[in-house]
Amino acid sequence: DAKTTQPNSMESNEEEPVHLPCNHSTISGTDYIHWYRQLPSQGPEYVIHGLTSNVNNRMASLAIAEDRKSSTLILHRATLRDAAVYYCILRVYYGGSQGNLIFGKGTKLSVKP
Amino acid sequence: DAMVIQNPRYQVTQFGKPVTLSCSQTLNHNVMYWYQQKSSQAPKLLFHYYDKDFNNEADTPDNFQSRRPNTSFCFLDIRSPGLGDAAMYLCATSITSGNKETQYFGPGTRLLVL
Repeated sequence: DAKTTQPNSMESNEEEPVHLPCNHSTISGTDYIHWYRQLPSQGPEYVIHGLTSNVNNRMASLAIAEDRKSSTLILHRATLRDAAVYYCILRVYYGGSQGNLIFGKGTKLSVKP
Repeated sequence: DAMVIQNPRYQVTQFGKPVTLSCSQTLNHNVMYWYQQKSSQAPKLLFHYYDKDFNNEADTPDNFQSRRPNTSFCFLDIRSPGLGDAAMYLCATSITSGNKETQYFGPGTRLLVL
């Protein structure tokens, strides 16, 4: 299984940017980097994904290292609603089989007012 | 709004008594997934359907089975629940199953086994 490494927890202040790191040194050329988050007592929610280039959407930005062995999820202005567990997931391509979501332990983000 | 719906949100069953959890979707997605999430752990895939094609994860216990009677509905059957099966069960969908595709999750059903 493709593995990712994330810090167990991080803290941020409200309205400040947050950079959530993820290491994925065993990534291969066809693996996509996905980020999901899970708010308390809810199902996971898609945040963003990318392959090689940096990506932006309304929720966040994804910065991917040139060698693709690490990536960083950037929340530009953290709010209290962003307190969640953030999962960095490598989705591998198994050919005929499917690129399943294999969740690691994730990073629990706390946001202080 | 198109969505993934899970009912009930909380289910209590007795040790050894069969229980069925249900999931429905209005997204018309081809793929439906079932995950198990135990307390303070990450979600773990149990199995998924691509249309009617069932795919079981290698380490999913035989006690867990699934049915997908049509595109919209998928059921998780636990034949003889044990105390260790108490968990949050998450249903998710995606249009196809490629590694670019986004999965959309329901709110989950929390199962308590007495």
